Formats: sequence, structure tokens, C-alpha cells
Amino acid sequence: DAEITQSPRHKITETGRQVTLACHQTWNHNNMFWYRQDLGHGLRLIHYSYGVQDTNKGEVSDGYSVSRSNTEDLPLTLESAASSQTSVYFCASSDGGRGNIQYFGAGTRLSVL
Amino acid sequence: QKEVEQNSGPLSVPEGAIASLNCTYSDRVSQSFFWYRQYSGKSPELIMSIYSNGDKEDGRFTAQLNKASQYVSLLIRDSQPSDSATYLCAVKSQGGSEKLVFGKGTKLTVNP
Repeated sequence: DAEITQSPRHKITETGRQVTLACHQTWNHNNMFWYRQDLGHGLRLIHYSYGVQDTNKGEVSDGYSVSRSNTEDLPLTLESAASSQTSVYFCASSDGGRGNIQYFGAGTRLSVL
Repeated sequence: QKEVEQNSGPLSVPEGAIASLNCTYSDRVSQSFFWYRQYSGKSPELIMSIYSNGDKEDGRFTAQLNKASQYVSLLIRDSQPSDSATYLCAVKSQGGSEKLVFGKGTKLTVNP
């Protein structure tokens, strides 16, 4: 069955370190998204991609970057982790169009100490 | 700034009752609407999508859309304790953007 997987599921890191969260989907979807979810804020879009070599900033992109070298993967990098980036991160993918159903990975819980 | 507003809740209903969840959106040209359910500690999962004015039923769930009032709702009939979760409303605008805008969610508790 097609799926979307995130790794690691839990991560603890120190401020200032570079961290990369992985997202891999086997849906063959062109569209991929990264969100963070915090109490009181709901799901907020960090970055998104509509295809290979395409990346776009979302509403909370400062301090984050992504790259899309193939259809399946969209890794999220925190260049220099900050305590404000402690959150739960979700990756999602969709096939676009009117239906545009986004399917979510299980999430990564990141703690920056 | 496109916004999606939901009753913050929490909403508490007895088992067997109808739970009503509401959502309003600011972008008048929005064309696709989704309800996701998120259990505590889990990821969002789609339960309903609706694209045209009116009602759409799927089992115990009914989504209602009124584009003139920029309002979408989710009714859960015969609520069960397993329906206890946070429900997220999401909206996709018209045009080329594939992005969804999510509301902050409404936490529902169904009491046995």
C-alpha cells in the first residue's frame, strides 16, 4: 500500500545544531507539504513543493529549508535549531486538482533544548 | 490573509447525540472543503470532503456547505466515544494553489 513515512518519530537536539527531518511518500504525488503544529496555533505551513526542483515558502518558513531532488522525498532542515522550533512536525502529500486530498505522515516530535 | 475559523470548544456531547462542528472561511473564492479528524498524539486523517453547496452524507457523518454564507459544518449522528478527537476544518482556494488553510480545530468529547 502507498504510504507517507516520517523519520525520526522523536528527536531531541540542542540549540544551534542543524537538524534534518525526513519525509518519504510512495503515493507518487507531485505535491508535498511540511507543517508544524503547536497548541493554540493549529497546523501552520512551513514549506511546500509542487514537483522536483520546486520549493516554496509557507507562512512560517524562517529558519527552515527544504529541497526536492526526487518525487518521493522532501526533507526539512532546521539550519540552526532554536527553542521556538520545539513542535510536532507533519509532512503531507497530495495529487493536486480539485480533490486535493492531503495525506499525512505520522509526525515527528522535535524538542530543542 | 486567508482565514479559517472554528469554534474553539471544547465540545462535549453524550453518547448517541448529534455533534455539530462549525467552520467559517474568509476567502470567497474557496472551492474545496475538508474535515480531518485528529486523535491525541496522532496525525490528521480525512473524514469528509465537500465541493458543492448542500449536504454530503457518509455513514454517520454529514458535511454541509453554504458558499454564500462562507460556512461549512460537520454533523456526527449517534456520536460514539470513539469519535472523541479534534476536528480540523481545511479550505482550498480556487486557482493554481494546492495549499490548504486549516482552522485551529475543535476538540470533541463524547461521554459514555
